[in-house]
Amino acid sequence: DTAVSQTPKYLVTQMGNDKSIKCEQNLGHDTMYWYKQDSKKFLKIMFSYNNKELIINETVPNRFSPKSPDKAHLNLHINSLELGDSAVYFCASSHHGQGTTEAFFGQGTRLTVV
Amino acid sequence: AQSVTQLDSHVSVSEGTPVLLRCNYSSSYSPSLFWYVQHPNKGLQLLLKYTSAATLVKGINGFEAEFKKSETSFHLTKPSAHMSDAAEYFCVVSPITGGGNKLTFGTGTQLKVEL
Repeated sequence: DTAVSQTPKYLVTQMGNDKSIKCEQNLGHDTMYWYKQDSKKFLKIMFSYNNKELIINETVPNRFSPKSPDKAHLNLHINSLELGDSAVYFCASSHHGQGTTEAFFGQGTRLTVV
Repeated sequence: AQSVTQLDSHVSVSEGTPVLLRCNYSSSYSPSLFWYVQHPNKGLQLLLKYTSAATLVKGINGFEAEFKKSETSFHLTKPSAHMSDAAEYFCVVSPITGGGNKLTFGTGTQLKVEL
């Protein structure tokens, strides 16, 4: 059983389009995240939700809008895609509030904007 | 504020020889520290974590790491490398309390294992 699953795994799209990436976790965690991994493999947090409430919102263009319909799902919608948005996006989940608990990651979504 | 420095971007070892991947951290809080591994085109898998208990932490696949507060280090080691260990390794810091589970990643170390 997949713990954190993201769809799609690969996404190729043209500049200016709007796209969404979906994420679901079946671990019973109350906190979910989106991370971006750039071409140099550097990972940086974008957003974090706890029980559907936004708790971390890093400096991300407002073209990126996360949405959490319930604590098991966290989707990422991106408007007006740009070439620089090309990256691998990882969803993750964990228990909230305790920095001692590790995050569990999905397999990633490789977004290519052409 | 917290940060992580992985001192080597690439490490190459022969199969059967020891592995050392270096990590130094900086944190305003008492930190939790983690090592994650990423195999090509895969997600991130937790290798081990330090959370203020024992300073020598054992993880999966024979890896271990030692927390040294005086040196602000959390180096990852393995006595004998295997071909399947070839991957990207990330050292990660998080505050034990507060910070909302914000993981701060190092820039990664690519481990190459040669025959």
